[in-house]
Amino acid sequence: DAKTTQPNSMESNEEEPVHLPCNHSTISGTDYIHWYRQLPSQGPEYVIHGLTSNVNNRMASLAIAEDRKSSTLILHRATLRDAAVYYCILRDVQDTGNQFYFGTGTSLTVIP
Amino acid sequence: DTAVSQTPKYLVTQMGNDKSIKCEQNLGHDTMYWYKQDSKKFLKIMFSYNNKELIINETVPNRFSPKSPDKAHLNLHINSLELGDSAVYFCASSLHSRGGYTFGSGTRLTVV
Repeated sequence: DAKTTQPNSMESNEEEPVHLPCNHSTISGTDYIHWYRQLPSQGPEYVIHGLTSNVNNRMASLAIAEDRKSSTLILHRATLRDAAVYYCILRDVQDTGNQFYFGTGTSLTVIP
Repeated sequence: DTAVSQTPKYLVTQMGNDKSIKCEQNLGHDTMYWYKQDSKKFLKIMFSYNNKELIINETVPNRFSPKSPDKAHLNLHINSLELGDSAVYFCASSLHSRGGYTFGSGTRLTVV
């Protein structure tokens, strides 16, 4: 799987939008972009995923650059419960093993 | 209802012992996984099972032996425990071999 690069940490004020960037310059045409997050002392949880078009769900939005070499996870109004490590992962749709390779992620701190 | 449940949540044991961690999912998923998260919080896949058959075994010592009695269960047995095995172990499942993951809440293993 192609690698991703994320900032180690970010801070946001509560109730403000948060933009979490991810670079994946070696992405292939069949790589989906997945985002997971891990709250303290919990297992990772699915946030969102996409291929080419921007995606929205109840948790977040995913903005994908036109060349697909970067993407941004958008939390529209950060809450204290959004403090977590956010992982950006590429996974090839042709991959039959379905293994997700987690990087170091971005640790998001939300300031009250 | 817990979707992916692991037991025990905490496990403290001495070096050289043999221990098992159990995982069950009630989501009807047919693929299950074990991940290890070390002290640096790096998540690494260990095994992937699809319909009770092993499909991924990532350079894990053969002291680790997964067992899948049915597609709803994937247990992890560890022989001759070593200090370096101390970590949090996460079980996960997906609907099929290309689906997103649902993780359990983890088992914190401490070897003393």
